[in-house]
Amino acid sequence: GAVVSQHPSWVICKSGTSVKIECRSLDFQATTMFWYRQFPKQSLMLMATSNEGSKATYEQGVEKDKFLINHASLTLSTLTVTSAHPEDSSFYICSAGQGGRSNQPQHFGDGTRLSIL
Amino acid sequence: AQSVAQPEDQVNVAEGNPLTVKCTYSVSGNPYLFWYVQYPNRGLQFLLKYITGDNLVKGSYGFEAEFNKSQTSFHLKKPSALVSDSALYFCAVRDMGGDFNKFYFGSGTKLNVKP
Repeated sequence: GAVVSQHPSWVICKSGTSVKIECRSLDFQATTMFWYRQFPKQSLMLMATSNEGSKATYEQGVEKDKFLINHASLTLSTLTVTSAHPEDSSFYICSAGQGGRSNQPQHFGDGTRLSIL
Repeated sequence: AQSVAQPEDQVNVAEGNPLTVKCTYSVSGNPYLFWYVQYPNRGLQFLLKYITGDNLVKGSYGFEAEFNKSQTSFHLKKPSALVSDSALYFCAVRDMGGDFNKFYFGSGTKLNVKP
């Protein structure tokens, strides 16, 4: 089945550091990937839609300069949390769908736990 | 706008008993509905979906869900719960009217299956 790999799984770093998270579709091509943020005991909050070859589409309230998204190929999207601060600590999850068909499920990465000290 | 509601934050069942996790939806057109499960510190795993056809949908790990158009519900069910089913469950609906076919998730229901 379709596999989405997310790396790293856990990051601990100092305040002010920029952190890059990778999301790869291993056995299929994804023109669109989604980035979510999940707070403890809460649902997933869609942050942005990553589009291969074009700019990402951000949800209202999400700072595009803070959360940089690059979708350089059909199998890779990256999320960079720039100058991270403790309030950016969270669980970040990416997802991708096969072929962009709307009746197909999204496949999720295993998430990245980001802890900013 | 599309949305889903999961009215229960937590569901407790004894192992071997049937379980139900509730979900209701609101859509402007035909609903594309999904159930996902999340284990601690993991991403979401797809369980099943309803697009069209039979109202009773069978999915992974013995789970099934019943689509009820009149009640706008899509409850997740399993005839006999296992301790290993304990996890966080999310109902989701896909926005067919907007760009990029976004998913909208419910607030999640924590399922606790006790031995």
